[in-house]
Amino acid sequence: NAGVTQTPKFQVLKTGQSMTLQCAQDMNHNSMYWYRQDPGMGLRLIYYSASEGTTDKGEVPNGYNVSRLNKREFSLRLESAAPSQTSVYFCASRLGINSYEQYFGPGTRLTVT
Amino acid sequence: AQSVTQLDSQVPVFEEAPVELRCNYSSSVSVYLFWYVQYPNQGLQLLLKYLSGSTLVKGINGFEAEFNKSQTSFHLRKPSVHISDTAEYFCAVGLNQAGTALIFGKGTTLSVSS
Repeated sequence: NAGVTQTPKFQVLKTGQSMTLQCAQDMNHNSMYWYRQDPGMGLRLIYYSASEGTTDKGEVPNGYNVSRLNKREFSLRLESAAPSQTSVYFCASRLGINSYEQYFGPGTRLTVT
Repeated sequence: AQSVTQLDSQVPVFEEAPVELRCNYSSSVSVYLFWYVQYPNQGLQLLLKYLSGSTLVKGINGFEAEFNKSQTSFHLRKPSVHISDTAEYFCAVGLNQAGTALIFGKGTTLSVSS
């Protein structure tokens, strides 16, 4: 099993450009999450999907959209990138209720100039 | 609402010394508690978790943590650290509700030197 995979690993964008971060898991997990990590801020939740077909906003959703394409895949889209979105983005998944821990992907390091 | 406070942003220690990374949480309902480790340029890896039962929880790499309900704490300890333990450590709380995300502390950077 590959676990949680993310593409790309690195990306540099100019202000105003758009891009989609891809995430996939092969553990048959129901719930998936997108976090951003900034120095001194820990991990902050952007969006999550409790199950296939549902998505909900987290703590910092502004400037982002998500799509739960199927049970395996959960993508994060930046429509018009801003320098404030320079960050490391992590995708995570969780099996579901009564399974408590989340499993994380390796991250995408995004720089917006 | 739940919150997590990691009391030290940086902890420098010498190799083979003991270490304690402190975590306090706030919640009006029962929570589950986790410690994750992040090595440089990598994702987060689960170190240990407290769900119920014994308040002393053992994890990977010789780490352990003790849940203290009265003090709302979940401190992480290791009796003797190695250079390879240098990493960032995150405390997190979660609820047993479908889909809910973990809430993370801001992290503690453990730096082990010889």
